[in-house]
Order: sequence, then C-alpha cells, then structure tokens
Amino acid sequence: QVQLQESGPGLVKPSQTLSLTCTVSGGSISSGGYYWSWIRQHPGKGLEWIGYIYYSGSTYYNPSLKSRVTISVDTSKNQFSLKLSSVTAADTAVYYCARDSGFGDIDYWGQGTLVTVSS
Amino acid sequence: EIVLTQSPDFQSVTPKEKVTITCRASQSIGSSLHWYQQKPDQSPKLLIKYASQSFSGVPSRFSGSGSGTDFTLTINSLEAEDAATYYCHQSSSLPRTFGQGTKVEIK
Repeated sequence: QVQLQESGPGLVKPSQTLSLTCTVSGGSISSGGYYWSWIRQHPGKGLEWIGYIYYSGSTYYNPSLKSRVTISVDTSKNQFSLKLSSVTAADTAVYYCARDSGFGDIDYWGQGTLVTVSS
Repeated sequence: EIVLTQSPDFQSVTPKEKVTITCRASQSIGSSLHWYQQKPDQSPKLLIKYASQSFSGVPSRFSGSGSGTDFTLTINSLEAEDAATYYCHQSSSLPRTFGQGTKVEIK
C-alpha cells in the first residue's frame, strides 16, 4: 500500500518561499508510470491542482502558478518537493501531495499539511 | 483550461435515499472524469475513475456514468457515513481541474 506524507514548515512569512517535501513509502518513485502531484485547498474551499513531476524530472505546472512554482524529485530518498516563491496570504492552504496513476486519476493522497502565510 | 461545474452545491438527504450529483465540462473530455469523496479534516479519496469504473474497495452503492461533457455520480441508498463533499476532476487536458464540490448532508 502506497503512502505519502507531507512535511515542512506550517508558517511562512509573506514574500518568502514555501517549501514542502513528500515522502513516498510502499512504492518506488523511480519505478516509473506515475506522476507525483501537488494539490492545494484553501480553507473551506475546493481543490486546486498545482502541478506534477515524473521520476525523470519532467514537470508540468498550472499556468496560474507557473512563475512561482518549482517541483523537484529525489529518487534516492523516494521524495518529491514543492517550492512556491513570493508567497502571500492567498497562498494559505492545506497542501496535499498525491500520486496520479499515470492515467489521470489520483489514486493516493497524503494527509495534507496546513501552511499559513503570516508575519 | 477546462471548467467543471457541479450541481447542486449542497444537498440534504435522508438515509436510504438516492443521491445524484452532476458535473458538466466546458468542453468534451471523453471519459476522463474522476470522482472523489472528502470527509471533514480528511484528504480526498478516489471513488470512481474514468467516469464509471469503481476504484478498489469502494462500496457498490457508488456509481458513475456519462461521457463527453455531462457526468453523474450516483449514491444508491445513502448511508450516514456518506456525509462528505464530492468533487469531480478531469484529466483530459492540462492543467488538471476540479469541480467546485457538492456537499452532501444527512438529514
């Protein structure tokens, strides 16, 4: 059973960079076939897809965030990461890491981590 | 970007009733439509993939149908544990997008 776990600071100051890491267990990122994704949910709101990365390092980002987002992968640690720069209060959200099955459905999700942007 | 519009936004339902949630896409997406259930303070869980395929372990009372631009999630004989918000999600094109969600409350 694949499990994903987000980690990182729960509080980030405005204008700084939000950094989160997702650790995958029960499966290897480098086995291929899956897209490792980041999705966020503003408090009390719906889901927003941020982007994903393949084990090879190829990425796709949501155009709405593209200028500020970087997703990277470390296959040796079986982890992938999210960096979001120049954050504002509008970036306060629960951030989920998740696995896209390779066919578009998201079959495994992390528990989510709340990141608050505040001074 | 493909916009997904769900209806209704909210539904209050009696146990054992049938629930129908619709999702309309702004352009044809074939069958690349998936449904998720999110309970309070939990992460979303995949229910239905590719419009009508049940994900492993999902109770048989959940079913999906549709293709093109119009899709439906049906919950037959609602149970108390089905109180949640339901989201549709398309994987036909990038960026991936989600519907705004439908909250199902148990009366």
